[in-house]
Amino acid sequence: DGGITQSPKYLFRKEGQNVTLSCEQNLNHDAMYWYRQDPGQGLRLIYYSQIVNDFQKGDIAEGYSVSREKKESFPLTVTSAQKNPTAFYLCASSRGTGGNSPLHFGNGTRLTVT
Amino acid sequence: AQSVTQPDIHITVSEGASLELRCNYSYGATPYLFWYVQSPGQGLQLLLKYFSGDTLVQGIKGFEAEFKRSQSSFNLRKPSVHWSDAAEYFCAVAGGAGNMLTFGGGTRLMVKP
Repeated sequence: DGGITQSPKYLFRKEGQNVTLSCEQNLNHDAMYWYRQDPGQGLRLIYYSQIVNDFQKGDIAEGYSVSREKKESFPLTVTSAQKNPTAFYLCASSRGTGGNSPLHFGNGTRLTVT
Repeated sequence: AQSVTQPDIHITVSEGASLELRCNYSYGATPYLFWYVQSPGQGLQLLLKYFSGDTLVQGIKGFEAEFKRSQSSFNLRKPSVHWSDAAEYFCAVAGGAGNMLTFGGGTRLMVKP
């Protein structure tokens, strides 16, 4: 079955360490996204990519970095510059970035930084 | 820039009762509108979407939503709620530069037996 795989489901890190969250899709979608979810704030867009080797900042990109070397993969690195990294991170993909391309989501990674 | 407001953070209904979750959006033109559902610790699943045409749209799991341009609303409804509907529901709008989705803050639905 096609879908989006995020790993790991839970991740724990010490403050000051960079950490990379994995996102892989086998839907053959061109566009991929990273969202951050905090209680009561909905989802906020961190980065998105419309095509391999290209990506754009979303609303809250500071302290994060991404790469898109393969169509199937869009890893997110949470750097030590991110002031409040503890959150639930969701990866998504879509056929295109037009509004008529609904997002397909992975099951998320919960990151805890202490 | 577009925005989405879900006025109710929590809603509790009895099993079998009807449900309406409110969503108001702000966008200059006709937007693309979506409702997603999220079970605890999971990703989001698309319930339904509105692009154009008939303002009453049907979705999965017995849900429907009505687009009302005059009220800038896209409320989600279900005639009879099941215990398995307990989850968090997100309204979203797409429009503007890049047609990126903007999500509301979510409404957490609890279902009483």
